Amino acid sequence: GAGVSQSPRYKVAKRGQDVALRCDPISGHVSLFWYQQALGQGPEFLTYFQNEAQLDKSGLPSDRFFAERPEGSVSTLKIQRTQQEDSAVYLCASSLDRRATDYSPLHFGNGTRLTVT
Amino acid sequence: GNSVTQMEGPVTLSEEAFLTINCTYTATGYPSLFWYVQYPGEGLQLLLKATKADDKGSNKGFEATYRKETTSFHLEKGSVQVSDSAVYFCAPSNYGGATNKLIFGTGTLLAVQP
Repeated sequence: GAGVSQSPRYKVAKRGQDVALRCDPISGHVSLFWYQQALGQGPEFLTYFQNEAQLDKSGLPSDRFFAERPEGSVSTLKIQRTQQEDSAVYLCASSLDRRATDYSPLHFGNGTRLTVT
Repeated sequence: GNSVTQMEGPVTLSEEAFLTINCTYTATGYPSLFWYVQYPGEGLQLLLKATKADDKGSNKGFEATYRKETTSFHLEKGSVQVSDSAVYFCAPSNYGGATNKLIFGTGTLLAVQP
């Protein structure tokens, strides 16, 4: 496709359920980022992939959060045993260059809005 | 790590008014600086960037100058339009190991009235 695609667009989960959020980056993009955006806040960094390698997961808030990108294209963010504080928009962004941002812009998807009840 | 402080919104202006959205940052080293914009119902997209001191980024009539001495990157536009209504995010880059990630401000909602 022409842009970064995220699915589902909306997800409602009961507290304690596991969820999986999918990101299809732009074809050929090396770098992939996940961000979490709480209501009224700016996006906060979660994790970074360069191709299939997860090089930075310093922003993942707990061990309930797990991300993968096994073939260096599609990525999945999994949240186990969801809690109410996990409610947010989860954004995926990709970039052509391995040195993302300085040399090539981040392309963002529209995000997945997760609501935990 | 780097951090950013952005002018709180909402900012409400009439069409053709002058716009300034303030942004200051703290950083080790010399980050690149970015403004991203989020139009209603759309994903964030790059508006402009500056990669070194005194650089001016510009796009769609918006401008921002990288001021190292004041650690600022204020966004300006001389004459706003209704179509500029959106949320604007200031974002310095943050080098850390293999990652060059963006650190986003809280965002400033701009509402332009006809």
